[in-house]
Amino acid sequence: GAGVSQTPSNKVTEKGKYVELRCDPISGHTALYWYRQSLGQGPEFLIYFQGTGAADDSGLPNDRFFAVRPEGSVSTLKIQRTERGDSAMYLCASRFGPDQSGNQDGYTFGSGTRLTVV
Amino acid sequence: GIQVEQSPPDLILQEGANSTLRCNFSDSVNNLQWFHQNPWGQLINLFYIPSGTKQNGRLSATTVATERYSLLYISSSQTTDSGVYFCAVRGSGGSNYKLTFGKGTLLTVNP
Repeated sequence: GAGVSQTPSNKVTEKGKYVELRCDPISGHTALYWYRQSLGQGPEFLIYFQGTGAADDSGLPNDRFFAVRPEGSVSTLKIQRTERGDSAMYLCASRFGPDQSGNQDGYTFGSGTRLTVV
Repeated sequence: GIQVEQSPPDLILQEGANSTLRCNFSDSVNNLQWFHQNPWGQLINLFYIPSGTKQNGRLSATTVATERYSLLYISSSQTTDSGVYFCAVRGSGGSNYKLTFGKGTLLTVNP
């Protein structure tokens, strides 16, 4: 697509429930990133995919968080047993690839999913 | 990892005023971007500027990579410029694939 699409835009869930957040990157972009942004803070890195594989998942806060990108395009961030502290804006970005230069190296972000755990 | 500091943290302007936002970073970078986060949370890319100067309408940016800082200039500010401005960098070191963000500058432009 023309931009990075994230669904849903808002998600309210009860503590302990499971949620899935979806990201549809720009067509052809090989690199995909998930970030989490808490109120009043800058986005913080969660996980990076190059193609289908998670090249770096060091930002995932604990084992309740997991992400997949099975066909190298759409990615799903999965959160099990949600806690109130998981409430945040979850942002997805895509990028052309690690070896590109110039403007093709830029990151494009989606509109985010605002997750609220009650 | 690379550190990114933005200043000022908050800025209040009257419509029509000019402003300068600063971003300092702790190491050499391959990428630097300025974003504007709108009230709905979307990060809008303003500039991709790892070095040099660029202009886009009332906005311009300069990055002096050798001195590890970047400046975002907003001229003749409008109320629609309000929001949070983020600087984000990708370091040129080993973990050179992810953007690291500063904490942002919250800009409020009053009519």
